[in-house]
Amino acid sequence: GESVGLHLPTLSVQEGDNSIINCAYSNSASDYFIWYKQESGKGPQFIIDIRSNMDKRQGQRVTVLLNKTVKHLSLQIAATQPGDSAVYFCAENISGLIWGAGTKLIIKP
Amino acid sequence: GAGVSQSPSNKVTEKGKDVELRCDPISGHTALYWYRQSLGQGLEFLIYFQGNSAPDKSGLPSDRFSAERTGGSVSTLTIQRTQQEDSAVYLCASSSAGAVGETQYFGPGTRLLVL
Repeated sequence: GESVGLHLPTLSVQEGDNSIINCAYSNSASDYFIWYKQESGKGPQFIIDIRSNMDKRQGQRVTVLLNKTVKHLSLQIAATQPGDSAVYFCAENISGLIWGAGTKLIIKP
Repeated sequence: GAGVSQSPSNKVTEKGKDVELRCDPISGHTALYWYRQSLGQGLEFLIYFQGNSAPDKSGLPSDRFSAERTGGSVSTLTIQRTQQEDSAVYLCASSSAGAVGETQYFGPGTRLLVL
């Protein structure tokens, strides 16, 4: 399995603004991508997923964009709320999920 | 059950002691995963159980770590002769069929502190 040992990057966003969290993935053969949210003291929770044959998928207040050319995935959160404060992980699938290091989202009042 | 549960929620132990961490997956889920999360870091895969197949142990960091899954349901992760670097949150997840890329549902984790 994969292991990541980097300290988490942090993104600070004003409440009400849109947030964009980025993730670079490693394998061009990855066919499925997932975003998870982890609030303090809790386990990760599924947010949204996207298959490699798509370049955009929308959920409730969230949009995932996939750019296979540069192997880049982003999560956009509209009208960020205090409850969005969490660590956000992307995961790519290549014979199993490989997890990114996570980004900590901080909401400024 | 309603979700994945783990026990204990917190565990403090002394260096050199053995610890057992328990995971109850969602009822009916055949796949079960263990991960470790050190402070401020991402998820590290440890071990994966799928039905009656031999588990994927490729993520276990040393032979002090072992896991069992009895009756295809409850799993126990055992750490022998704990070291301070074992301090972390240990997360368990389950998914319904273990299909590649399938959504995993996580428990709240066990916070292990080795003094």
